[in-house]
Amino acid sequence: DIQMTQSPSSLSASVGDTVTITCRASQGISSWLAWYQQKPGKAPKSLIYDTSTLQSGVPSRFSGSGFGTDFTLTISNLQPEDFATYYCQQYNSYPLTFGGGTKVEIK
Amino acid sequence: QVQLVQSGPEVKKPGASVKVSCKASGYTFTNYGISWVRQAPGQGLEWMGWISGFNANTNYAQKFEDRVIMTTDTPTSTVYMELGSLRSDDTAVYYCARGADSSSSDFDYWGQGTLVSVSS
Repeated sequence: DIQMTQSPSSLSASVGDTVTITCRASQGISSWLAWYQQKPGKAPKSLIYDTSTLQSGVPSRFSGSGFGTDFTLTISNLQPEDFATYYCQQYNSYPLTFGGGTKVEIK
Repeated sequence: QVQLVQSGPEVKKPGASVKVSCKASGYTFTNYGISWVRQAPGQGLEWMGWISGFNANTNYAQKFEDRVIMTTDTPTSTVYMELGSLRSDDTAVYYCARGADSSSSDFDYWGQGTLVSVSS
């Protein structure tokens, strides 16, 4: 199975900051990586697929990059509605696996 | 608009089975697959398996393959996930999520989640 490791597990930031979340795969997954946002009590929401393609309606302050084993999600100009938990997911091969999550909290 | 609407919360005793439904609308059911993903309280996301909306082929995570069954009802665009031999650590919110039909994929739409509680 491909293990996905996210870091940090949590971070504190202020409105207007730029934050970066890292996701590392235990083996190469090409560009088959997605990012999700989850707020308490809600289902995950798709943000990015194929490493860097934004889902329709997702603000351009979200961006993704990487290839192979190392990936990043960057949120520029952090907004109040961005405080949430973020998960990466690989879909290079079954079983599909998720990172452990990164909680973005208000400083 | 695409919607995945799941059945309501369930309370089960250890050893029992639970069957959760996911009714799809707003797209051609047979063009996509559905995965089931669960989330234990305060924990991360765990993929359980996938079923094709086209031909009902399945791919289960090894952890669940001896006690999970996923099925489809194409006329009603509904997917079912049945989990047997329930244990207390199966207490979780279970989500259905839409993905590609022919290969592993990301998930663009999610159901609202179904809480399954397992307790004696």
